[in-house]
Amino acid sequence: EAGVAQSPRYKIIEKRQSVAFWCNPISGHATLYWYQQILGQGPKLLIQFQNNGVVDDSQLPKDRFSAERLKGVDSTLKIQPAKLEDSAVYLCASSLVGQRADTQYFGPGTRLTVL
Amino acid sequence: EDQVTQSPEALRLQEGESSSLNCSYTVSGLRGLFWYRQDPGKGPEFLFTLYSAGEEKEKERLKATLTKKESFLHITAPKPEDSATYLCAVRDNAGNMLTFGGGTRLMVKP
Repeated sequence: EAGVAQSPRYKIIEKRQSVAFWCNPISGHATLYWYQQILGQGPKLLIQFQNNGVVDDSQLPKDRFSAERLKGVDSTLKIQPAKLEDSAVYLCASSLVGQRADTQYFGPGTRLTVL
Repeated sequence: EDQVTQSPEALRLQEGESSSLNCSYTVSGLRGLFWYRQDPGKGPEFLFTLYSAGEEKEKERLKATLTKKESFLHITAPKPEDSATYLCAVRDNAGNMLTFGGGTRLMVKP
């Protein structure tokens, strides 16, 4: 079974530029998550989708971050404009929907460096 | 607000030297406690889910246990390939969000 796919794996941009990350979840997983992981810390949830609807975006900095999940499959996370403190690894995860089917499976992440 | 604290932050072991990693948590109604392994440059890899106090799960040299306030990840006779960062996370009954601890970086020397 193919895992969660993410691209690009690495991205270096100047501050105030924009950047976009792509995620393709495990086939059949209705729930998709975007996490931010700063070096030396655990991942922090940014946004959660179920199918193509947003379930939780309470920790998403909406003035600069946006995300969409068209057709309930792939998702894109965008940052515009980027700040130095956005340097981090952006992880995508997916899970099934169900009472205990809540194990989240993670992709390899995109490492973003903002100069 | 859910909180997860992991200790120690880093742990160095000799090959074969057993030890335990700690995950202390506060949560309003535990739905599940999760352990993940993360290798450098990779995403977290799922290891275990524990749902209630007293539950234990094992996988190869790893054994996870759960009480009402903390979880332990016991590593028996570790090998160098067990070197990684181990992450603990909790989910409460209110939603699907995982709250992660800062992780324990384990280094096993041959």
